[in-house]
Parts: sequence; C-alpha cells; structure tokens
Amino acid sequence: QQQVKQSPQSLIVQKGGISIINCAYENTAFDYFPWYQQFPGKGPALLIAIRPDVSEKKEGRFTISFNKSAKQFSLHIMDSQPGDSATYFCAASTDSGGGADGLTFGKGTHLIIQP
Amino acid sequence: DGGITQSPKYLFRKEGQNVTLSCEQNLNHDAMYWYRQDPGQGLRLIYYSQIVNDFQKGDIAEGYSVSREKKESFPLTVTSAQKNPTAFYLCASSILGVENIQYFGAGTRLSVL
Repeated sequence: QQQVKQSPQSLIVQKGGISIINCAYENTAFDYFPWYQQFPGKGPALLIAIRPDVSEKKEGRFTISFNKSAKQFSLHIMDSQPGDSATYFCAASTDSGGGADGLTFGKGTHLIIQP
Repeated sequence: DGGITQSPKYLFRKEGQNVTLSCEQNLNHDAMYWYRQDPGQGLRLIYYSQIVNDFQKGDIAEGYSVSREKKESFPLTVTSAQKNPTAFYLCASSILGVENIQYFGAGTRLSVL
C-alpha cells in the first residue's frame, strides 16, 4: 500500500515557467512533509518542508502548498531554470515531536526544464 | 568537511555472498537510516537507528541486517537471503529533538554478478 502518491511521473516545462508537482497522503498521523531534490548519481537533498498547521511556505522560487482536509500538498517552482532539471520527491513522516522516524517517499517526478 | 560518507561507491555481489555497505557521519547526528532506491520506485526504508545499540526495521528489512556500535557508524549488510539486491542504497542521518530533516550520503550502487 503506497502511503504517499506523487504525480506526475515526469514533467517538461519551458524555462521561466512554473513547475507543479502534486502529492497525496493517506496516513493522517503524518505531520512533517519535506520535498527533496536529487541529481543523477547523487543523494537527495532537502529543498523545503512544511508542517500541517501552515497552508503555504515559500523559500525563494520554491513554494509548498498544503491542504490538510484534502490530504494533499504540492511543490511549485517559479521561474523554472534548466538547473532545476532533476528528480523531485515528496515525503512524509510522523515527526513525533522531534523523534526520528523514517520518511515515506513518493515515487518521484523527473523534471526537465527546456531552455 | 562535515557530512555523510558512504563507501564503496560501486559494489558487486556474487550469488550466495553477503556484502557490507559502509556509512559514516561526522555531523554528531543521533539517528541514522538506510533506504533502498529502485528506478521509478522512490526511496524505501530498510532500517533506522535512533541510538547506539538499538535499531528498528523499516518497510523492507527482509534480507538485510544492520549494527550501530558507534554513534557515527551504521553499516548495512545485504545477506544472501536478499534475492534482488541490485539497487542504489542511500544512508541518511538526522538530529533528534528537531524537525525530521534527514541528510543523505552520495549512495552505493550494488549490482549482482
């Protein structure tokens, strides 16, 4: 049973456009939702994260939108650049007030920004 | 430089052989994790450890074993019981008591000969 569903599987966006990746979760105990960026042959790196008491969080060109009632969250990349071309993963965990549970990941979105 | 070091970068396993993947961190993080990544499958949790000499199974622990004898080290053994070991293995660490921000190493790619 996949607890975090991510879409689309792949995405092509023109340079300067907005990239949007969506995730939906099932476990209502999840209370921490990070997004990771991964380049080929490298480990994932944290981009931005949100907790369910906030509906939106913005860091530079990256924004997370969170809809607790729908159990959905999304990543928006504004003014997308060729250097943003990578695989993006959403994830979720029960943070347990700073406990260290493992992350449950979506299957990833391969993003290509065309110049 | 502080970080997470995984070695080797590439590893080959023969049939019936156990192999051990190394993960060392000098971030003074409390918790460490092992994930397996397959194409199109995302990352799946194998084992994690919050303190020395204690660890918990993740979603796909069968065929794997771990130890946590030192805070900075969390080696993963892929045993012969793991029938499909070919994958990209990622180690991560995090600090307890703050948000579950996990920092990843560069990974080990394991292939079967």
